[in-house]
Amino acid sequence: EAGVAQSPRYKIIEKRQSVAFWCNPISGHATLYWYQQILGQGPKLLIQFQNNGVVDDSQLPKDRFSAERLKGVDSTLKIQPAKLEDSAVYLCASSFASGTTYNEQFFGPGTRLTVL
Amino acid sequence: DQQVKQNSPSLSVQEGRISILNCDYTNSMFDYFLWYKKYPAEGPTFLISISSIKDKNEDGRFTVFLNKSAKHLSLHIVPSQPGDSAVYFCAAFGNTGNQFYFGTGTSLTVIP
Repeated sequence: EAGVAQSPRYKIIEKRQSVAFWCNPISGHATLYWYQQILGQGPKLLIQFQNNGVVDDSQLPKDRFSAERLKGVDSTLKIQPAKLEDSAVYLCASSFASGTTYNEQFFGPGTRLTVL
Repeated sequence: DQQVKQNSPSLSVQEGRISILNCDYTNSMFDYFLWYKKYPAEGPTFLISISSIKDKNEDGRFTVFLNKSAKHLSLHIVPSQPGDSAVYFCAAFGNTGNQFYFGTGTSLTVIP
């Protein structure tokens, strides 16, 4: 079974530039998550999709971050414009379902973003 | 608002000995707890979990203990092996928030 795919693996940009990350979840997984992991901290949920609808985006800085999951499969996360404090690893995860019952999340390898 | 805390950023243990990783949480509504293991340049992978209705769950060399009154859980690895060297994250899930909360991680080094 193929895992969660993410690209690119590494990205270096200057502040005020734009950047986009791509995620392909495990086939059949309805729920997709984007996490931000800053160095020395645990992953923090940015946004959660159930199929192509947003379940939770309460911690997404909506003035600069946006995400979409067209057709309920692949997803893109965009930052525009980037700030120095956006330097982090961006993790994508997927699970079979969500809701009030725990479902195991499978993580991709992440995209390491460096903003100079 | 750090609802899940891992107060030890690092831990070194001799091969064959026991590794004990600790985690504290603040929200009594959490009802499911997990440990994830993360190698460099890889995403976290699920290791072991425990429901709030239990106080212990064992899987091979890995055992997770939950003390609800103290809002504390721990991961025991016995015996520790060099391949266990990784960053370990504890995470909590609550059906009210429908969200995972991760701790800051503990970097475990098992010395051969």
